[in-house]
Amino acid sequence: GAVVSQHPSRVICKSGTSVKIECRSLDFQATTMFWYRQFPKQSLMLMATSNEGSKATYEQGVEKDKFLINHASLTLSTLTVTSAHPEDSSFYICSALRGPSGGEQYFGPGTRLTVT
Amino acid sequence: AQKVTQAQTEISVVEKEDVTLDCVYETRDTTYYLFWYKQPPSGELVFLIRRNSFDEQNEISGRYSWNFQKSTSSFNFTITASQVVDSAVYFCALVGGGSNYKLTFGKGTLLTVNP
Repeated sequence: GAVVSQHPSRVICKSGTSVKIECRSLDFQATTMFWYRQFPKQSLMLMATSNEGSKATYEQGVEKDKFLINHASLTLSTLTVTSAHPEDSSFYICSALRGPSGGEQYFGPGTRLTVT
Repeated sequence: AQKVTQAQTEISVVEKEDVTLDCVYETRDTTYYLFWYKQPPSGELVFLIRRNSFDEQNEISGRYSWNFQKSTSSFNFTITASQVVDSAVYFCALVGGGSNYKLTFGKGTLLTVNP
Protein backbone atom coordinates (compact mmCIF):
# COMPACT_ATOMS: atom_id res chain seq x y z
CA GLY A 1 0.00 0.00 0.00
CA ALA A 2 0.91 3.65 -0.26
CA VAL A 3 3.20 5.06 2.41
CA VAL A 4 3.05 8.46 4.00
CA SER A 5 5.63 9.55 6.52
CA GLN A 6 5.62 12.33 9.07
CA HIS A 7 8.52 13.90 10.82
CA PRO A 8 9.03 14.31 13.68
CA SER A 9 6.89 11.72 15.41
CA ARG A 10 7.12 13.58 18.70
CA VAL A 11 8.23 17.09 19.52
CA ILE A 12 8.36 19.09 22.70
CA CYS A 13 8.86 22.81 22.39
CA LYS A 14 8.69 25.86 24.56
CA SER A 15 5.88 28.33 24.42
CA GLY A 16 6.49 31.03 21.85
CA THR A 17 8.63 28.98 19.53
CA SER A 18 7.68 27.62 16.11
CA VAL A 19 7.57 23.99 15.09
CA LYS A 20 7.60 22.52 11.60
CA ILE A 21 6.04 19.17 10.81
CA GLU A 22 6.75 17.42 7.51
CA CYS A 23 4.44 15.11 5.63
CA ARG A 24 5.81 13.07 2.74
CA SER A 25 4.19 10.67 0.33
CA LEU A 26 6.95 8.17 -0.27
CA ASP A 27 5.78 6.16 -3.23
CA PHE A 28 3.23 8.30 -5.02
CA GLN A 29 2.66 11.89 -5.98
CA ALA A 30 0.00 13.78 -4.11
CA THR A 31 -1.33 17.05 -5.42
CA THR A 32 -3.60 17.22 -2.41
CA MET A 33 -2.73 16.60 1.20
CA PHE A 34 -4.75 17.22 4.33
CA TRP A 35 -3.84 18.23 7.85
CA TYR A 36 -5.85 17.05 10.81
CA ARG A 37 -5.73 17.69 14.48
CA GLN A 38 -6.83 15.23 17.12
CA PHE A 39 -7.30 15.95 20.80
CA PRO A 40 -7.22 13.07 23.28
CA LYS A 41 -10.19 10.77 22.99
CA GLN A 42 -11.68 12.84 20.22
CA SER A 43 -12.12 12.46 16.51
CA LEU A 44 -9.98 13.92 13.78
CA MET A 45 -10.69 17.51 12.92
CA LEU A 46 -9.72 18.72 9.46
CA MET A 47 -7.59 21.83 9.68
CA ALA A 48 -6.75 22.54 6.09
CA THR A 49 -6.39 21.20 2.59
CA SER A 50 -2.95 21.57 1.11
CA ASN A 51 -2.67 21.84 -2.66
CA GLU A 52 0.62 21.62 -4.48
CA GLY A 53 1.61 24.95 -5.94
CA SER A 54 -1.21 26.96 -4.44
CA LYS A 55 -2.36 28.33 -1.15
CA ALA A 56 -3.87 26.02 1.41
CA THR A 57 -7.57 26.11 2.11
CA TYR A 58 -8.31 26.40 5.81
CA GLU A 59 -11.38 25.17 7.61
CA GLN A 60 -13.51 27.62 9.49
CA GLY A 61 -12.01 28.57 12.81
CA VAL A 62 -8.45 27.59 11.95
CA GLU A 63 -6.00 30.48 12.06
CA LYS A 64 -4.02 30.48 8.84
CA ASP A 65 -1.37 32.79 10.25
CA LYS A 66 -0.76 30.44 13.12
CA PHE A 67 -0.78 27.21 11.17
CA LEU A 68 1.30 27.84 8.06
CA ILE A 69 1.04 25.23 5.36
CA ASN A 70 3.38 24.88 2.43
CA HIS A 71 2.97 22.27 -0.28
CA ALA A 72 6.06 22.94 -2.33
CA SER A 73 6.31 19.64 -4.18
CA LEU A 74 4.13 16.70 -5.14
CA THR A 75 5.50 14.65 -2.28
CA LEU A 76 5.93 17.12 0.56
CA SER A 77 3.66 19.30 2.63
CA THR A 78 4.72 21.09 5.78
CA LEU A 79 2.74 22.46 8.69
CA THR A 80 4.39 25.11 10.82
CA VAL A 81 2.84 25.94 14.16
CA THR A 82 3.98 29.48 14.83
CA SER A 83 4.36 31.01 18.28
CA ALA A 84 3.15 27.81 19.85
CA HIS A 85 1.15 27.86 23.05
CA PRO A 86 0.24 25.01 25.41
CA GLU A 87 -3.25 24.85 23.91
CA ASP A 88 -1.65 23.91 20.58
CA SER A 89 -0.50 20.66 22.15
CA SER A 90 -2.19 17.95 20.18
CA PHE A 91 -1.76 15.04 17.79
CA TYR A 92 -1.33 16.28 14.24
CA ILE A 93 -1.98 13.88 11.38
CA CYS A 94 -1.49 14.41 7.69
CA SER A 95 -2.92 12.48 4.81
CA ALA A 96 -2.18 12.33 1.12
CA LEU A 97 -4.82 11.84 -1.50
CA ARG A 98 -4.12 9.20 -4.06
CA GLY A 99 -6.25 8.62 -7.08
CA PRO A 100 -9.32 10.27 -8.54
CA SER A 101 -12.47 11.44 -6.85
CA GLY A 102 -13.25 9.27 -3.87
CA GLY A 103 -9.70 8.12 -3.87
CA GLU A 104 -8.21 6.91 -0.69
CA GLN A 105 -6.44 9.14 1.72
CA TYR A 106 -3.30 7.58 3.10
CA PHE A 107 -2.49 8.76 6.56
CA GLY A 108 0.83 9.51 8.12
CA PRO A 109 1.69 8.10 11.55
CA GLY A 110 1.04 11.42 13.26
CA THR A 111 3.09 13.91 15.22
CA ARG A 112 2.52 14.46 18.90
CA LEU A 113 3.24 18.06 19.78
CA THR A 114 3.68 19.13 23.37
CA VAL A 115 4.14 22.81 24.14
CA THR A 116 5.50 23.57 27.58
CA ALA B 1 -23.82 19.14 5.13
CA GLN B 2 -22.39 15.75 5.77
CA LYS B 3 -22.52 13.92 9.03
CA VAL B 4 -21.34 10.60 10.38
CA THR B 5 -22.73 9.25 13.62
CA GLN B 6 -21.15 6.50 15.64
CA ALA B 7 -23.51 6.18 18.54
CA GLN B 8 -21.37 3.71 20.46
CA THR B 9 -18.67 5.58 22.30
CA GLU B 10 -17.12 2.54 23.94
CA ILE B 11 -17.65 -1.19 23.62
CA SER B 12 -16.06 -3.86 25.76
CA VAL B 13 -16.16 -7.53 24.85
CA VAL B 14 -14.44 -10.71 25.82
CA GLU B 15 -12.13 -12.39 23.36
CA LYS B 16 -13.84 -14.57 20.75
CA GLU B 17 -17.10 -12.65 20.98
CA ASP B 18 -18.51 -11.10 17.84
CA VAL B 19 -18.97 -7.34 17.91
CA THR B 20 -20.71 -4.89 15.59
CA LEU B 21 -19.78 -1.24 15.34
CA ASP B 22 -22.55 0.98 14.08
CA CYS B 23 -22.22 3.83 11.63
CA VAL B 24 -25.01 6.03 10.31
CA TYR B 25 -24.33 8.77 7.79
CA GLU B 26 -26.04 11.75 6.24
CA THR B 27 -25.26 13.29 2.87
CA ARG B 28 -27.09 14.97 0.03
CA ASP B 29 -24.64 13.67 -2.54
CA THR B 30 -25.76 10.81 -4.73
CA THR B 31 -22.18 9.73 -5.19
CA TYR B 32 -20.18 9.24 -2.05
CA TYR B 33 -17.67 6.95 -0.42
CA LEU B 34 -17.67 5.38 3.00
CA PHE B 35 -14.63 4.29 4.93
CA TRP B 36 -13.62 2.53 8.09
CA TYR B 37 -10.32 3.22 9.79
CA LYS B 38 -8.68 1.61 12.80
CA GLN B 39 -6.59 3.68 15.19
CA PRO B 40 -4.59 1.53 17.61
CA PRO B 41 -2.93 3.06 20.67
CA SER B 42 0.10 3.99 18.57
CA GLY B 43 -2.10 6.60 16.89
CA GLU B 44 -1.55 5.69 13.26
CA LEU B 45 -4.74 5.38 11.24
CA VAL B 46 -5.08 2.09 9.44
CA PHE B 47 -7.32 1.95 6.39
CA LEU B 48 -9.78 -0.94 6.51
CA ILE B 49 -12.27 -0.48 3.71
CA ARG B 50 -13.72 1.92 1.16
CA ARG B 51 -17.18 1.48 -0.28
CA ASN B 52 -18.81 3.61 -2.95
CA SER B 53 -22.47 4.52 -2.86
CA PHE B 54 -23.34 2.40 -5.85
CA ASP B 55 -22.04 -0.82 -4.42
CA GLU B 56 -24.27 -2.20 -1.71
CA GLN B 57 -22.75 -5.62 -1.67
CA ASN B 58 -21.62 -6.71 1.73
CA GLU B 59 -17.95 -7.46 2.06
CA ILE B 60 -16.03 -9.93 4.10
CA SER B 61 -12.31 -9.86 4.74
CA GLY B 62 -11.17 -12.53 7.13
CA ARG B 63 -12.81 -11.83 10.48
CA TYR B 64 -14.07 -8.45 9.30
CA SER B 65 -17.31 -7.85 7.49
CA TRP B 66 -19.25 -4.78 6.48
CA ASN B 67 -22.96 -4.28 5.94
CA PHE B 68 -23.85 -1.31 3.76
CA GLN B 69 -27.54 -0.43 3.60
CA LYS B 70 -28.51 2.72 1.74
CA SER B 71 -32.12 2.39 2.85
CA THR B 72 -31.07 3.07 6.42
CA SER B 73 -27.93 5.09 5.60
CA SER B 74 -25.85 2.69 7.60
CA PHE B 75 -22.45 1.11 7.11
CA ASN B 76 -21.91 -1.24 10.01
CA PHE B 77 -18.73 -3.14 10.76
CA THR B 78 -18.61 -6.56 12.39
CA ILE B 79 -15.62 -8.30 13.85
CA THR B 80 -16.09 -12.01 14.26
CA ALA B 81 -14.27 -13.93 16.98
CA SER B 82 -12.65 -10.78 18.33
CA GLN B 83 -9.07 -10.80 19.51
CA VAL B 84 -7.15 -8.62 21.95
CA VAL B 85 -5.26 -7.10 19.01
CA ASP B 86 -8.55 -5.72 17.73
CA SER B 87 -8.60 -3.29 20.64
CA ALA B 88 -8.50 0.18 19.10
CA VAL B 89 -10.62 3.16 18.21
CA TYR B 90 -12.55 2.62 15.01
CA PHE B 91 -13.66 5.52 12.86
CA CYS B 92 -16.29 5.55 10.18
CA ALA B 93 -15.87 8.30 7.59
CA LEU B 94 -17.59 9.72 4.55
CA VAL B 95 -16.48 11.69 1.53
CA GLY B 96 -19.08 13.11 -0.78
CA GLY B 97 -18.73 13.62 -4.49
CA GLY B 98 -18.89 17.36 -4.15
CA SER B 99 -16.79 17.76 -1.04
CA ASN B 100 -13.35 18.19 -2.60
CA TYR B 101 -12.32 14.85 -1.14
CA LYS B 102 -12.73 16.04 2.45
CA LEU B 103 -13.34 13.21 4.86
CA THR B 104 -16.02 13.65 7.49
CA PHE B 105 -15.25 11.43 10.46
CA GLY B 106 -17.54 10.03 13.08
CA LYS B 107 -16.51 10.45 16.69
CA GLY B 108 -15.13 6.95 16.84
CA THR B 109 -15.87 3.86 18.88
CA LEU B 110 -13.34 2.60 21.38
CA LEU B 111 -13.33 -1.17 21.27
CA THR B 112 -11.71 -3.04 24.10
CA VAL B 113 -11.30 -6.78 23.76
CA ASN B 114 -10.50 -8.43 27.04
CA PRO B 115 -8.70 -11.76 27.29
